[in-house]
Amino acid sequence: SSELTQDPAVSVALGQTVRITCQGDSLRKFYASWYQQKPGQAPVLVIYGNTNRPSGIPDRFSGSSSGNTASLTITGAQAGDEAVYYCSSRDSSGSHHVVFGGGTKLTVL
Amino acid sequence: QVQLQESGPGLVKPSQTLSLTCTVSGGSISSENYYWSWIRQPAGNGLEWIGRIFTSGSTNYNPSLESRVTISIDTSKNQFSLKLSSVTAADSAVYYCARDVRLTHQNWFDPWGRGTLVTVSS
Repeated sequence: SSELTQDPAVSVALGQTVRITCQGDSLRKFYASWYQQKPGQAPVLVIYGNTNRPSGIPDRFSGSSSGNTASLTITGAQAGDEAVYYCSSRDSSGSHHVVFGGGTKLTVL
Repeated sequence: QVQLQESGPGLVKPSQTLSLTCTVSGGSISSENYYWSWIRQPAGNGLEWIGRIFTSGSTNYNPSLESRVTISIDTSKNQFSLKLSSVTAADSAVYYCARDVRLTHQNWFDPWGRGTLVTVSS
C-alpha cells in the first residue's frame, strides 16, 4: 500500500480551478513532486520541491504544502489537462527510498 | 536536452530474469548532479519506484523488490541497466527509466523514458 494517499478521481468544469491533494506523514519532512500522465504516455514532471514549476509547464499549474498534505492546483483547467496526476516524495522512514501516491484521475467537464 | 530510451525483451518467462537497458542521450550519465532510476507501472495501476544508481555505482532499492533487483551502470556506453530475477506475472508492467534528482529533503524524476512493456508469460 502507498504511503501517500490521493483521491482516486476528481472532476472540474472547463476553465474552473481544481485542487488535487496528497496526504502522508513523509510530507511533513520531505517535499512533494507531481507528475501528469496522459493515456499511453510517460509521466511528465509538473511540480517539484512542493512549489516549483519546470520550464515549459504552464503557470496555471501550482503547488503548495501544509503539514502532511501537498496540493496541486490547476487554475483555469483546460481539456488538455485531463490526465492522471501522481504525487511523490521520499518515504517516511527518512531513507533514500521514494514513494508515489496512487494517482488522481482528473476529468475536465 | 537529455533523453532516455528503454530497451530489452518484451516477453520473459516466469522464474527467469528480466533485463532492461536505458540509454541516455544529450547528456552524460557520469554527471554528479543526478541519479538514474527505474520505475514501473502495471497495466491500469500506479507507479512503483524500483531503485536508483549513481555514477559511482552506489544503489538504493525499493525494500519490496530488493532481494530480486540489481541495477548497474556503464558510463562508457552512457547506459544503466535493470535486472529483476525470479519474475512472476505480477512483474508484468511498463518499465520506465528516469533521471533522478535527489537533494536534501526532496527528490524528483525528470525526464522519463517512453517506457517499455514487459510481459511475464510462458
